[in-house]
Amino acid sequence: DAGVTQSPTHLIKTRGQHVTLRCSPISGHKSVSWYQQVLGQGPQFIFQYYEKEERGRGNFPDRFSARQFPNYSSELNVNALLLGDSALYLCASSLGILYTGELFFGEGSRLTVL
Amino acid sequence: QKEVEQDPGPLSVPEGAIVSLNCTYSNSAFQYFMWYRQYSRKGPELLMYTYSSGNKEDGRFTAQVDKSSKYISLFIRDSQPSDSATYLCAPQGAQKLVFGQGTRLTINP
Repeated sequence: DAGVTQSPTHLIKTRGQHVTLRCSPISGHKSVSWYQQVLGQGPQFIFQYYEKEERGRGNFPDRFSARQFPNYSSELNVNALLLGDSALYLCASSLGILYTGELFFGEGSRLTVL
Repeated sequence: QKEVEQDPGPLSVPEGAIVSLNCTYSNSAFQYFMWYRQYSRKGPELLMYTYSSGNKEDGRFTAQVDKSSKYISLFIRDSQPSDSATYLCAPQGAQKLVFGQGTRLTINP
């Protein structure tokens, strides 16, 4: 079975631009979460979506937004990119809204902002 | 103060050694405690998790939680070069995991 898939794997943007990152969860998983991992740090929670509704939001500015589609895939959008947005963006999926040890991560999208 | 504190290392030990990785946390509401392993330029991979206080063993790995002192540990026995990675502790909060900084571990052959 395919795991969590993310695209693109790498991308380079310049300050002020916009980026869209995509995620397909494991088949049967209805919840998708997004995390940001800056080099040398642990992942930080950005959003959780379950059944197409936002169920949790981390401490990130409004430039960050996301949505979940009827097929449970998800997009993360970041507007007005800053140098500090350079990071590995991780998508994770789970069966339900509570993880209880069943949160699975994709390989991530590595964003570089110049 | 961060919700989860983890010594970033790096930690370097010889093959076969017992490794102890630790985290402390501040939120007494945490009930599930995860350990993830992350290889360079890869996504985190769930190693094991523990519910509430106690021990859990899985092969060469043992996870331990002491809720009274808010202390989380992961022990690796008979460490192998393939165990070289960054280890992340991650207690579960409401709708999210709260990750430590990660400890970078190298096992030398």
